[in-house]
Amino acid sequence: AQKITQTQPGMFVQEKEAVTLDCTYDTSDPSYGLFWYKQPSSGEMIFLIYQGSYDQQNATEGRYSLNFQKARKSANLVISASQLGDSAMYFCAMREVNTNAGKSTFGDGTTLTVKP
Amino acid sequence: DGGITQSPKYLFRKEGQNVTLSCEQNLNHDAMYWYRQDPGQGLRLIYYSQIVNDFQKGDIAEGYSVSREKKESFPLTVTSAQKNPTAFYLCASSSGGASQYEQFFGPGTRLTVL
Repeated sequence: AQKITQTQPGMFVQEKEAVTLDCTYDTSDPSYGLFWYKQPSSGEMIFLIYQGSYDQQNATEGRYSLNFQKARKSANLVISASQLGDSAMYFCAMREVNTNAGKSTFGDGTTLTVKP
Repeated sequence: DGGITQSPKYLFRKEGQNVTLSCEQNLNHDAMYWYRQDPGQGLRLIYYSQIVNDFQKGDIAEGYSVSREKKESFPLTVTSAQKNPTAFYLCASSSGGASQYEQFFGPGTRLTVL
């Protein structure tokens, strides 16, 4: 079974609007971390935001927030006030502490295009 | 500035040749990783190392080999046994294997087999 599922291969958003990128995960490990990375066309991977499985509040980093719904095993990324520079591929990743020796598993990604 | 460097940026290989991709970090991180990315796909783990002189296979280790003789360096060798090596290779490091540590990535190496 896929551990990280990103169901949106591509998304479009108008500049200055908000957009939600979906991520669901599967784990039986009670201790895990969830990450979002951005990959522009240059190929580099840029860390955006982290959510721990025991964190009580949703993580926020500037225009990025993570909508963490633990019971649903969902960790959606919300980008507010989209900018043209947000056009990129976005990856959700999970790291399980106890069951997977700290390895990270990545989803297949969502390509976001911001329209002017 | 601290970071991860990968070289070369582009690499061309003839079939049957082994090639080595370099990855160096000056972040003093214990853990290092190699990923493969095919066009339009996510990252797949090849090998990872959580400490010097120790490394483990990831999900797609066949046809690849690594070494971790120094904390700063984690070179990846793509051997002739790798049937379809053309891909984008990313090296990453993190402070440790615990879940709260994000990975820092290098700029990547694009390998093309001619």
